[in-house]
Amino acid sequence: ETGVTQTPRHLVMGMTNKKSLKCEQHLGHNAMYWYKQSAKKPLELMFVYSLEERVENNSVPSRFSPECPNSSHLFLHLHTLQPEDSALYLCASSQGTAMNTEAFFGQGTRLTVV
Amino acid sequence: DAKTTQPPSMDCAEGRAANLPCNHSTISGNEYVYWYRQIHSQGPQYIIHGLKNNETNEMASLIITEDRKSSTLILPHATLRDTAVYYCIVRPRMDSSYKLIFGSGTRLLVRP
Repeated sequence: ETGVTQTPRHLVMGMTNKKSLKCEQHLGHNAMYWYKQSAKKPLELMFVYSLEERVENNSVPSRFSPECPNSSHLFLHLHTLQPEDSALYLCASSQGTAMNTEAFFGQGTRLTVV
Repeated sequence: DAKTTQPPSMDCAEGRAANLPCNHSTISGNEYVYWYRQIHSQGPQYIIHGLKNNETNEMASLIITEDRKSSTLILPHATLRDTAVYYCIVRPRMDSSYKLIFGSGTRLLVRP
């Protein structure tokens, strides 16, 4: 248990569906991240939020829409996804700007787009 | 844009030390070296990090060469549960975008 909880753990959705992934951290951190991990590929950083403001968007298609309503919660809203978007989506959080602090990851949401 | 090079795979016997190397020849003076691991289908887990001194915690030891161009993660007594992909990451000291950029890592197999 890392203190970062992601729901759901598994999700199957059609290409015309709208769904949301949820991440919650109980660590008092002020930065949160979304990563995507496709099969046999390294983790790809998608979005970074610091103090509830988006500070990075790594050229992610607009069919992925993040939301950070407060420092403890992070959402990833999904709509009109493609089969190639099937992947493990990981949320992480960290504290502060000092780079001698580690990031904690959730267990991920395994997404399948059919 | 990972700045590290790791062997794609390694194996070791259970109970023996696992020594995982990492090259980071372009590391800057203010960049930390981080190690994470990812057990199959789980989220990455933080292991250890260091700047220039060797570090040890309850999970592992990190040995950084004097020129800081390479490092070694040591798991002193590997167990079957240590089978995972191990990532060596170089991270800037005052990076305002808080990035952790993962490469392909080393797949460690601990044999019974």
